Amino acid sequence: ETGVTQTPRHLVMGMTNKKSLKCEQHLGHNAMYWYKQSAKKPLELMFVYNFKEQTENNSVPSRFSPECPNSSHLFLHLHTLQPEDSALYLCASSQGGVQTGEQYFGPGTRLTVT
Amino acid sequence: KQEVTQIPAALSVPEGENLVLNCSFTDSAIYNLQWFRQDPGKGLTSLLLIQSSQREQTSGRLNASLDKSSGRSTLYIAASQPGDSATYLCAVEGVWDNAGNMLTFGGGTRLMVKP
Repeated sequence: ETGVTQTPRHLVMGMTNKKSLKCEQHLGHNAMYWYKQSAKKPLELMFVYNFKEQTENNSVPSRFSPECPNSSHLFLHLHTLQPEDSALYLCASSQGGVQTGEQYFGPGTRLTVT
Repeated sequence: KQEVTQIPAALSVPEGENLVLNCSFTDSAIYNLQWFRQDPGKGLTSLLLIQSSQREQTSGRLNASLDKSSGRSTLYIAASQPGDSATYLCAVEGVWDNAGNMLTFGGGTRLMVKP
């Protein structure tokens, strides 16, 4: 247990569906991240929130929409996804600030888009 | 733009061997380097974090070194065990393209330790 939880663990959705991924950290951290892990590709950073401010949007399509209501919770809202969006979505948290520090990862959500 | 490369992509060794995993990065302006372990279908577990001012870190049978000037890091695993089988990822934190702090990952080394 790393102190970072993600729900659901598995999700199958159609291209017209709307769903949300949830991440929660119990570490008192101030920075949270969404990463995408596709088959045969390095892990890709999607979004960074540092003290609830979005500081990074790594050219992610608008069909992915993050939300960080407080420093402990992070959501990824999904709509009209494509089959190539099928991947493992990982959430992470860290101390935050100028240097983000050691990152702690959740178990991930395995997303399949049909 | 930072690029991180890990060699080899896959490694299979008999139990008990000492082994070295390699990581190289193109931009030496980093804050730190982390090594992670990922079990199949699972999230990442942080193994070691080396600050840019440090040369190495040790945890149990693991030792990670950092040569920032040459853009290289190695993860040394002593007396490997079947339970070490996993994918090992290295990642560097820095600021590139005025994008703010970013963690850039290598493609990973998939390790199999055979009993």
